[in-house]
Amino acid sequence: GAVVSQHPSWVICKSGTSVKIECRSLDFQATTMFWYRQFPKQSLMLMATSNEGSKATYEQGVEKDKFLINHASLTLSTLTVTSAHPEDSSFYICSARDPTSGAVRSEQYFGPGTRLTVT
Amino acid sequence: RKEVEQDPGPFNVPEGATVAFNCTYSNSASQSFFWYRQDCRKEPKLLMSVYSSGNEDGRFTAQLNRASQYISLLIRDSKLSDSATYLCVVNTNAGKSTFGDGTTLTVKP
Repeated sequence: GAVVSQHPSWVICKSGTSVKIECRSLDFQATTMFWYRQFPKQSLMLMATSNEGSKATYEQGVEKDKFLINHASLTLSTLTVTSAHPEDSSFYICSARDPTSGAVRSEQYFGPGTRLTVT
Repeated sequence: RKEVEQDPGPFNVPEGATVAFNCTYSNSASQSFFWYRQDCRKEPKLLMSVYSSGNEDGRFTAQLNRASQYISLLIRDSKLSDSATYLCVVNTNAGKSTFGDGTTLTVKP
């Protein structure tokens, strides 16, 4: 199946600093990628849809100025958590669909996730 | 009410048992359905898609009832390696995915 990578896999940062997470589709071009956040014992919550060459679409309640998304190429989307605080500590996962499979019926390929801890 | 609801679990079963998970969805415009498996501290991975006619993959059987807006996953002859959280995922016609909260399965020797 398709492969999606994320970097870094884990990061510890101090409160107030910014953290950038990269998501790459390795063997297909993804015009759309998705960013999720998952707190312990909870499900994945969609944060935003990253669109190549245009602005990201954020879900209700997600601050676009705090979670900056850049989808500069067909294989790379980045999520920057600005001025991180301890409550931002979470498991951040990106995903992409293989566009040749169609948007509705295709499965999502998930990156391995980034575990962020803000101290 | 959540868009996708799953059995809260946890399910603790002995090896060899048959276990069934249920999932209901509220958006009647939903187009496609999936079961994903997520191991602790790992990303979700596709277990199987769910088709209207029902589908089977080895020990796993998925069924969809559009009229009742209900999806199920049946696992037969449970193995220790089946221990994981199982996520029900529903896609709308706009391609947006909504995840259930997951059902945790622990298979014991």
